[in-house]
Amino acid sequence: SAVISQKPSRDICQRGTSLTIQCQVDSQVTMMFWYRQQPGQSLTLIATANQGSEATYESGFVIDKFPISRPNLTFSTLTVSNMSPEDSSIYLCSVIDRTQETQYFGPGTRLLVL
Amino acid sequence: QKEVEQDPGPLSVPEGAIVSLNCTYSNSAFQYFMWYRQYSRKGPELLMYTYSSGNKEDGRFTAQVDKSSKYISLFIRDSQPSDSATYLCAMSANTNAGKSTFGDGTTLTVKP
Repeated sequence: SAVISQKPSRDICQRGTSLTIQCQVDSQVTMMFWYRQQPGQSLTLIATANQGSEATYESGFVIDKFPISRPNLTFSTLTVSNMSPEDSSIYLCSVIDRTQETQYFGPGTRLLVL
Repeated sequence: QKEVEQDPGPLSVPEGAIVSLNCTYSNSAFQYFMWYRQYSRKGPELLMYTYSSGNKEDGRFTAQVDKSSKYISLFIRDSQPSDSATYLCAMSANTNAGKSTFGDGTTLTVKP
């Protein structure tokens, strides 16, 4: 199994500012994922972050808005840039185990943009 | 139209009841099916994983997949108050679980 921690657990931000969310995993993993979970809606994949390469973004998400870093096999950051109230959501970090069958999620970062 | 539709709920049942949670999907390429449980203010945790039609049982939980009807279900027997959570179905076309498509979730409350 993998234990994932995220910082911060929650934040309230002003529009126009940026927030960087950190994700730490207790074991080395190849692939890390960032999801958004808006109230009453399903998890939406933002991007896949691989160590040593550029993140791969899903349709509707762009690097300028959600820059991602992946400096090593246990850590990643997601920045939500130039925030607007529409960015208010829960942001989740996720990894899959070596068999690529089991997916683990962090506790999430609850973001409110005023 | 969403690729994955999940019965929205919410569901409220008495302790000991049998619970049925359901999802339908439209993408025939989906081959792997998962159920996650998400407690309030926590990330989702994997409950069941299956890749074939039929039933898979794990304790009080049974996952059922009908690929011909593009329909999956999760049954919870002898439901407990600790089962109160949001349940998410997820499915993917390949073994890369990170590319799963999730349902919107069904919130279940089991009353003692």
